[in-house]
Amino acid sequence: GAGVSQTPSNKVTEKGKYVELRCDPISGHTALYWYRQSLGQGPEFLIYFQGTGAADDSGLPNDRFFAVRPEGSVSTLKIQRTERGDSAVYLCASSLQGSGTEAFFGQGTRLTVV
Amino acid sequence: AQTVTQSQPEMSVQEAETVTLSCTYDTSESDYYLFWYKQPPSRQMILVIRQEAYKQQNATENRFSVNFQKAAKSFSLKISDSQLGDAAMYFCAYRTPQGGSEKLVFGKGTKLTVNP
Repeated sequence: GAGVSQTPSNKVTEKGKYVELRCDPISGHTALYWYRQSLGQGPEFLIYFQGTGAADDSGLPNDRFFAVRPEGSVSTLKIQRTERGDSAVYLCASSLQGSGTEAFFGQGTRLTVV
Repeated sequence: AQTVTQSQPEMSVQEAETVTLSCTYDTSESDYYLFWYKQPPSRQMILVIRQEAYKQQNATENRFSVNFQKAAKSFSLKISDSQLGDAAMYFCAYRTPQGGSEKLVFGKGTKLTVNP
């Protein structure tokens, strides 16, 4: 595609529910990143994929958060038993191969847990 | 762990004037990348300029330039001839050297207002 696409743009869910956030990277980009941006803060790293594998998942805050990229393209961030503190903008980025190449960001998914 | 500090939560500038946004960082690495990103209300992070730490020459992209002081661990962004479209949140970011984790570490951002 022309750019990184994230769906949905906005998501409201009830506390305790399960949510999935989708990221469709730029075609041919092997590196994919998820970040979380809380109100008034800069983005915080969650996880980095190189191809299908998670090369660095050190930013995932706890075991309620999980991400997959089964075919090395589209990625899904999954949050179980959502909490109000999970409310944030979730940003996805992709780059051609990581390692010095520019990362292009999507417009994010704003998650609100009520 | 690497940290990035932006000490100016908000800045304002008159249209056509020049403004400088500050950024400092902390790292024990000798080679790394530094970036300035712009985030308009659309939420999409847009790369403004990047600097490789091994390069002594300051990066320049049209009206945007940086003052990179490696010893002081300082990386400020200068915007010349400010335009209304420059109004946005600006984030300074650090990335570990090639071959390490590819994650970006961001500061808290500076909100830039451009007054007509």
